[in-house]
Amino acid sequence: QVQLVQSGAEVKTPGASVKVSCKASGYNISAYYMHWVRQAPGQGLEWMGWINTEGDTKYARKFQGRVTMTRDTSIGTGYMELHSLTSDDTALYYCARGGASPPFRYWGQGTLVTVSS
Amino acid sequence: QPALTQPDSVSGSPGQSITIPCSGSDSDFGRTEFECWYQKHPGKAPNLIIYDVSDRPSGVPDRFSGSKSGNVASLTISGLQSEDEAEYYCSSFTTSRPVLFGGGTKVTVL
Repeated sequence: QVQLVQSGAEVKTPGASVKVSCKASGYNISAYYMHWVRQAPGQGLEWMGWINTEGDTKYARKFQGRVTMTRDTSIGTGYMELHSLTSDDTALYYCARGGASPPFRYWGQGTLVTVSS
Repeated sequence: QPALTQPDSVSGSPGQSITIPCSGSDSDFGRTEFECWYQKHPGKAPNLIIYDVSDRPSGVPDRFSGSKSGNVASLTISGLQSEDEAEYYCSSFTTSRPVLFGGGTKVTVL
């Protein structure tokens, strides 16, 4: 069955970068888009971007220049790296499988990233 | 200003029906039939409960239903149950914005 398993919680200081991984099983990651969505405390869901079947990326305007999404198809894993962290980046980060647009039927369990000095 | 607007909260008693509207501000929104809805419990991943406006993935109870009229998509929960207490998010896309989420609606079962 399809599963997305994300890396563990991270604590970072302001200005640092964080890289979250998302290991897929039960399907070939080259056949689907991988999206990244986050939820800050008390806030709603926020789409960050996707990496598509060709390995091309599209980022939400808010994160352009600060986020990098990559993948390693040999190990079925996608990555989301966010740079220049601030306390506003404290959030649960999710990967999700889909097409170019919603819906997303499969989600990772979430990775908590805490940014604190 | 969010492109998809939902009420912050909706409440109902067990067994009642509630409806959550989701209105789109983009001119594209009224022409699409791809709206979906997610249920989200705190600390858990979102769970897809409605896609393509009104279709349910297998395993989703039929007390969850979706509809759309003009620029407003709606999620109705009939026969409200205690486990339905959660946040609910509508989602869609436009030609210029590939993924949109509403602000989320907190459903409280009284």
